Amino acid sequence: LAKTTQPISMDSYEGQEVNITCSHNNIATNDYITWYQQFPSQGPRFIIQGYKTKVTNEVASLFIPADRKSSTLSLPRVSLSDTAVYYCLVVDSSNTGKLIFGQGTTLQVKP
Amino acid sequence: DSGVTQTPKHLITATGQRVTLRCSPRSGDLSVYWYQQSLDQGLQFLIQYYNGEERAKGNILERFSAQQFPDLHSELNLSSLELGDSALYFCASSVAGVGDTQYFGPGTRLTVL
Repeated sequence: LAKTTQPISMDSYEGQEVNITCSHNNIATNDYITWYQQFPSQGPRFIIQGYKTKVTNEVASLFIPADRKSSTLSLPRVSLSDTAVYYCLVVDSSNTGKLIFGQGTTLQVKP
Repeated sequence: DSGVTQTPKHLITATGQRVTLRCSPRSGDLSVYWYQQSLDQGLQFLIQYYNGEERAKGNILERFSAQQFPDLHSELNLSSLELGDSALYFCASSVAGVGDTQYFGPGTRLTVL
C-alpha cells in the first residue's frame, strides 16, 4: 500500500521561495503526482501535476526525481495569500486506482 | 467556483440515521470522486465513479454506498451513522480518469449528534 509523508507545518516570510517535499513509496508507475492547495472550509484546489523531472506553471514548480519516491513543490516568492494547507496526491501501486492524499503541510506566510 | 456543486452545505443528524449527499460534476466531466475529511484522518478517498460505473474504491465503510446516475450526478449514502462519521465530505470531478485534474466542490459538513 502506498504511503506518503509530508512535514506537518512550515513557516516562511513574504517574498521567499518555499519548498515542500512529499515522500511516497509504492505508488503507481504510470500515474501522475499531483499537488493541491486548501484554504479553511473550502475544497482543495489543483496547483500542479507531474510524472517525472520538472514541471512549471504560472504558480509553482514540481520536481520529481527519477525514482519517483518523492516530489517537491516549489512556490516562488510567497505572499500572505499563500497561507494554506498543501497536499500531495498519489495513486497506489496496487493497480486498483486507489488515491492517497498526504497528511498535508500547513504553510504559514508571515509579513 | 470550481463548477462542482454539492448539497446540502450542512447536515445535522442523529446516530443511527441515514443521509444522502448529492454532487453535480462540472459540465463534461465523466468521473466523480468522494472524499471524507476529518480532523484526525485528513483527506480520505472513498470511491470513484466513471460514467456510471464504479472505477476505484478506497477506505469506504460498508455502511456507506454511492452511485452515479445517467445524468452523471452522484449520491453518497451514509447509513447507521456514528459519531465518528462527523466530517466534511467532498465531491470532485474530472474529465476522465484518475490522472486527470480533479475539481472539488465546496463540501458538505455532516454533524452526527
